[in-house]
Amino acid sequence: DAGITQSPRHKVTETGTPVTLRCHQTENHRYMYWYRQDPGHGLRLIHYSYGVKDTDKGEVSDGYSVSRSKTEDFLLTLESATSSQTSVYFCAIVSGGVDNEQFFGPGTRLTVL
Amino acid sequence: EDQVTQSPEALRLQEGESSSLNCSYTVSGLRGLFWYRQDPGKGPEFLFTLYSAGEEKEKERLKATLTKKESFLHITAPKPEDSATYLCAVQAGGKLIFGQGTELSVKP
Repeated sequence: DAGITQSPRHKVTETGTPVTLRCHQTENHRYMYWYRQDPGHGLRLIHYSYGVKDTDKGEVSDGYSVSRSKTEDFLLTLESATSSQTSVYFCAIVSGGVDNEQFFGPGTRLTVL
Repeated sequence: EDQVTQSPEALRLQEGESSSLNCSYTVSGLRGLFWYRQDPGKGPEFLFTLYSAGEEKEKERLKATLTKKESFLHITAPKPEDSATYLCAVQAGGKLIFGQGTELSVKP
């Protein structure tokens, strides 16, 4: 599982509240990613990071911010959650191996009421 | 615009009935095509990376092939445990662009 954990695994919140999801890795990988997965849309990239304090936007970044103050943690924040942000959120890292594959965490199911 | 389209959206097979899943892509400068398997409630699990047209890779009952416009995931004599959603993605720059997936169901 490439040592990736996500917390919380499930969260229910109300519209307008701030929410922070955490991705933690134990193997010092440089690249980390946040995706959301919705029926009919597949996996879509929200933000990614290529090093400490180095981040960039993906295709669905509006309403989300990220921070990476240390290599092992990549935080995704919804400043003011909306119902359209109800989704399953996955964190991923790049292995750095010959296949250059991304390994995914177990996911966080977020429901915004 | 970089794009990935998978077909069919859903596929139902009988155990032992071989078939193929399709992944069509348009991308400027393909740097890799990836296949993943995803079980319900879990994150995607890496299967294969293909880099150039003509390349093939195999793993148990699965074989992935790549042309300049599409990739196929061939499933030979599938078993019920092969039931899952199969995702295709292309690497464009430092990012992966995913298709919507094919949900495979294999009945005994």
